[in-house]
Amino acid sequence: DAKTTQPNSMESNEEEPVHLPCNHSTISGTDYIHWYRQLPSQGPEYVIHGLTSNVNNRMASLAIAEDRKSSTLILHRATLRDAAVYYCILSPRGGADGLTFGKGTHLIIQP
Amino acid sequence: EPEVTQTPSHQVTQMGQEVILRCVPISNHLYFYWYRQILGQKVEFLVSFYNNEISEKSEIFDDQFSVERPDGSNFTLKIRSTKLEDSAMYFCASSARLAGGLVEQFFGPGTRLTVL
Repeated sequence: DAKTTQPNSMESNEEEPVHLPCNHSTISGTDYIHWYRQLPSQGPEYVIHGLTSNVNNRMASLAIAEDRKSSTLILHRATLRDAAVYYCILSPRGGADGLTFGKGTHLIIQP
Repeated sequence: EPEVTQTPSHQVTQMGQEVILRCVPISNHLYFYWYRQILGQKVEFLVSFYNNEISEKSEIFDDQFSVERPDGSNFTLKIRSTKLEDSAMYFCASSARLAGGLVEQFFGPGTRLTVL
């Protein structure tokens, strides 16, 4: 499986934008980039996915580098409820296979 | 909003006993998964299930584990003879196929298994 690298933790203030980076230099042409998050004491939760183009949904935006070797999850206005571990995951079949979770980035939101 | 449910929320068992963890996936979903997370560690994939058979399994999913969809609504994980190291949070997930062949997995709240 292609690997991803994320910072262990990041801190941000409430109501400010947050940019969570992910490096995936060994990504293959068919790998989709998925982001999931895990709130404290809960199961993982889907956030967003993309292949080549930037993507927006109601939760976040995903900015994908032109060479696809990195991506950034953008939370436009962080709330306390966004405090979670965020996982960047590559999937060759669009997510149908079992997901390989790394350690993710622990996002801390300060009020 | 439809959600994946899991029972029980917490299961305590003695080493060597069999346990069955139950999941009710979202009703129109076709792909089913089990994951586990040992306390303080990563979420680990165990097995995926599609069209009434295992489609993929990890090295963790050995002969002690089995899965079943007994009645078209439940999806179960059985551990035949539990070990201390099976203590973990077990998450069930399900998914449907989105447009373009993409799949978003919906996770349940988990069952905490404690093996004594």
